[in-house]
Amino acid sequence: DGGITQSPKYLFRKEGQNVTLSCEQNLNHDAMYWYRQDPGQGLRLIYYSQIVNDFQKGDIAEGYSVSREKKESFPLTVTSAQKNPTAFYLCASSRINLGELFFGEGSRLTVL
Amino acid sequence: AQSVTQLDSQVPVFEEAPVELRCNYSSSVSVYLFWYVQYPNQGLQLLLKYLSGSTLVKGINGFEAEFNKSQTSFHLRKPSVHISDTAEYFCADFGNEKLTFGTGTRLTIIP
Repeated sequence: DGGITQSPKYLFRKEGQNVTLSCEQNLNHDAMYWYRQDPGQGLRLIYYSQIVNDFQKGDIAEGYSVSREKKESFPLTVTSAQKNPTAFYLCASSRINLGELFFGEGSRLTVL
Repeated sequence: AQSVTQLDSQVPVFEEAPVELRCNYSSSVSVYLFWYVQYPNQGLQLLLKYLSGSTLVKGINGFEAEFNKSQTSFHLRKPSVHISDTAEYFCADFGNEKLTFGTGTRLTIIP
C-alpha cells in the first residue's frame, strides 16, 4: 500500500543529544514537509523540500536540520540547539504545488 | 503573508445535532483551501478541499464546506454529528509552496 512511514513512533532523549526522525514515502511525490505540533498552536512548518538535494526553511527551522538525498526519504534531525524539542512531529508529502498533503502517523519526541 | 484563523478552539455538540466549525483566511493570492481531521495520536487526514469552481464542497464522512470570497471564510459543516466525529479539525491555506494551518478546533460530541 502506498503511504508515508514515520519512525520511531515514540522517542525519548536526554538533553544535549541529537536525534533523527525518519520519514519515507512510496507515493512518488516530489514535495515533502516536516511540521511540529504543540497543543493549541496548530501545525508549524519546520522544513520542506520540492526536489532531491534541495530544501527550504519553514517558519521554525532553528535547531533542526534535514537532508533530501533520495526522493523517497526526508529525515529530520532535532539538534541539541533546539531549546524546546518535546513535541509531536509530522511528516507529509504531496505532488508539487497542489497543496493536498498526505501525512504520516507522527513521531512523539520527549526530552527528559 | 497568508494566515488562517479558527475562531473556536473547542466546540461541544450533542450527538445528532448540526455543527459548524469556523475558518477565515487572509491570503490575497489564488486560494486553495483545505480541511483536515486528526484523531488522537494520529496524523492528519484530508476531509475536503476547495481549488476552484463550485463554492460548496463536499467531503468525506458527511462534511461539507462553503467558500465565501467576500467574507474570506471557509466554514465546515455537518448536519448531524456522531460520536465518531470526535477529533481535532484543522483549516489550511496553500500558497507560496506551502500549507499554512490554523490552530485547530477540538470537536467534542456529547452523547
